[in-house]
Amino acid sequence: AQSVTQLGSHVSVSEGALVLLRCNYSSSVPPYLFWYVQYPNQGLQLLLKYTTGATLVKGINGFEAEFKKSETSFHLTKPSAHMSDAAEYFCAVKKNRDDKIIFGKGTRLHILP
Amino acid sequence: DARVTQTPRHKVTEMGQEVTMRCQPILGHNTVFWYRQTMMQGLELLAYFRNRAPLDDSGMPKDRFSAEMPDATLATLKIQPSEPRDSAVYFCASGAAQTGNQPQHFGDGTRLSIL
Repeated sequence: AQSVTQLGSHVSVSEGALVLLRCNYSSSVPPYLFWYVQYPNQGLQLLLKYTTGATLVKGINGFEAEFKKSETSFHLTKPSAHMSDAAEYFCAVKKNRDDKIIFGKGTRLHILP
Repeated sequence: DARVTQTPRHKVTEMGQEVTMRCQPILGHNTVFWYRQTMMQGLELLAYFRNRAPLDDSGMPKDRFSAEMPDATLATLKIQPSEPRDSAVYFCASGAAQTGNQPQHFGDGTRLSIL
């Protein structure tokens, strides 16, 4: 069975500092991986996805994530945090031919002035 | 940009009342998902449809919840009778199942409060 583990339900970084949100997955087959962001009072919005090919994936708002098969990880990074990045971030995994996406429990990112 | 549309955005009602939430998936998407989000439980999958057929509703309390897709442009989630513990944000998402690597697209949710 697939699963997703997000380390840290809350992460705080200073404005301008590096953002690192950790995600590890388990999957019996090569997975498709996603990061979603949820702003207050909104639905989940796709940040980026990994399917095949290049393991470093760039998304919206300056975020990127790297698929590391040997570490079963898909950590999300952004070089310089902005106040507008404060939100909840969800890592998710999907198997090919599966309709369902398995979501992690989410990490709430706080940006300190 | 195409969007998933959910109505109503907010609903406050008394315990015992029927609640109906509606979702218009993105045109051309053939999978529809209903999720519930609470502080305690996080994001839970309640049910999902492919080509309007219900494929999995194991996450849904079947004694009071029901989900249907009367047509390809409308999905509904009903609660009857509603209880205070049903208070949550309910999200609908849609996807295109033809290609396995496609993400789900979420609506902005219905915030439900049962008094």
